[in-house]
Amino acid sequence: NAGVTQTPKFRVLKTGQSMTLLCAQDMNHEYMYWYRQDPGMGLRLIHYSVGEGTTAKGEVPDGYNVSRLKKQNFLLGLESAAPSQTSVYFCASSPAKYSSYNEQFFGPGTRLTVL
Amino acid sequence: GNSVTQMEGPVTLSEEAFLTINCTYTATGYPSLFWYVQYPGEGLQLLLKATKADDKGSNKGFEATYRKETTSFHLEKGSVQVSDSAVYFCALSGIVSGNEKLTFGTGTRLTIIP
Repeated sequence: NAGVTQTPKFRVLKTGQSMTLLCAQDMNHEYMYWYRQDPGMGLRLIHYSVGEGTTAKGEVPDGYNVSRLKKQNFLLGLESAAPSQTSVYFCASSPAKYSSYNEQFFGPGTRLTVL
Repeated sequence: GNSVTQMEGPVTLSEEAFLTINCTYTATGYPSLFWYVQYPGEGLQLLLKATKADDKGSNKGFEATYRKETTSFHLEKGSVQVSDSAVYFCALSGIVSGNEKLTFGTGTRLTIIP
């Protein structure tokens, strides 16, 4: 099993450009998450999905959109990138609703720089 | 709301030293508590967890005990190795807007020198 994979690993954008980050998991997990990691702030939840075809806002959703058209994929879109979106983005998945009993599995991250 | 406060880093120790990384939390109800580790260039991976008060989570020589009376979940290891150099995140799971989510601390960077 590959687990959780993310593409691309690195990307540099200019302000106003758009891009899509792809997350894929091969563990048949129901829940998927997008986080951003910034220095001194830990991980913050951007959006999440509780199943195919569903998405919900997390802690810091502004400027991002997501889609979960297939159970194994969770896409994060930036329509008009801003320097404040420079960050490391992590995707995660978990098998069921209650993360108390089900750990989240993380991808390796995407380092995005917006100039 | 839920929050996690971690010991400020970075922490630098010599090999075989004793490690403690402090973590305290604020939450309603009875959250589960976790330590995640992030090795250089990699994503986070679960190190250990505890799901109820007085539980002790352990893995790879690391331990942490869920202390409800002090709302703490401190990470300890008796003898650290260079390979333990990483960023450690304390986290709790709790219900937010009807769904269970993880709340992370800011992370503590640990460097072990030979």
